Amino acid sequence: ETGVTQSPTHLIKTRGQQVTLRCSSQSGHNTVSWYQQALGQGPQFIFQYYREEENGRGNFPPRFSGLQFPNYSSELNVNALELDDSALYLCASAKQGAYEQYFGPGTRLTVT
Amino acid sequence: DQQVKQNSPSLSVQEGRISILNCDYTNSMFDYFLWYKKYPAEGPTFLISISSIKDKNEDGRFTVFLNKSAKHLSLHIVPSQPGDSAVYFCAARFPLYSDSGAGSYQLTFGKGTKLSVIP
Repeated sequence: ETGVTQSPTHLIKTRGQQVTLRCSSQSGHNTVSWYQQALGQGPQFIFQYYREEENGRGNFPPRFSGLQFPNYSSELNVNALELDDSALYLCASAKQGAYEQYFGPGTRLTVT
Repeated sequence: DQQVKQNSPSLSVQEGRISILNCDYTNSMFDYFLWYKKYPAEGPTFLISISSIKDKNEDGRFTVFLNKSAKHLSLHIVPSQPGDSAVYFCAARFPLYSDSGAGSYQLTFGKGTKLSVIP
């Protein structure tokens, strides 16, 4: 059984640029959630996708957007990057209704 | 405001002794509590959970206790092993309400406690 995978592992961008991060869910999972983990903090919920639609959003501005594809892979897009967007971005998949979410290894984004 | 709090940033324990990690929460709507373990350069790995209607759940060396009246939970690791050294996150589950219907949830995490088990 393949776990949750994310790409790329690391990324360096300049303030104002746009970035796309990718996630492949674990087989059999139909929801995908994205989290931002800043240094020294716990993961913070960005949003969740189910049936290719946004299913809930945390306290993040609209420049954070996402997509979920029919094969349950997912993208996180961030526009107009700011220095504070530098963080580890984690993707987690689950079966809808399950309490346990399975996390990928994350993408480390650095904005300079 | 931080709805899930882990007030101890770090904890050091001798190998073979008990490790106790604590977590407090404020939101009564949380229905499940989970502990995740995270090694550097890896994503969080699920460890153990407890429903809000239970007060104890045990899995091998790991036991989670929930005191709902105090809005407090703790993770006990007995005996502690050097391989347990990692950052431990407490997380609480909250339902997402959307047009797609019930059955989806978000996790709210604490800041984590770094556990070091000394051989």
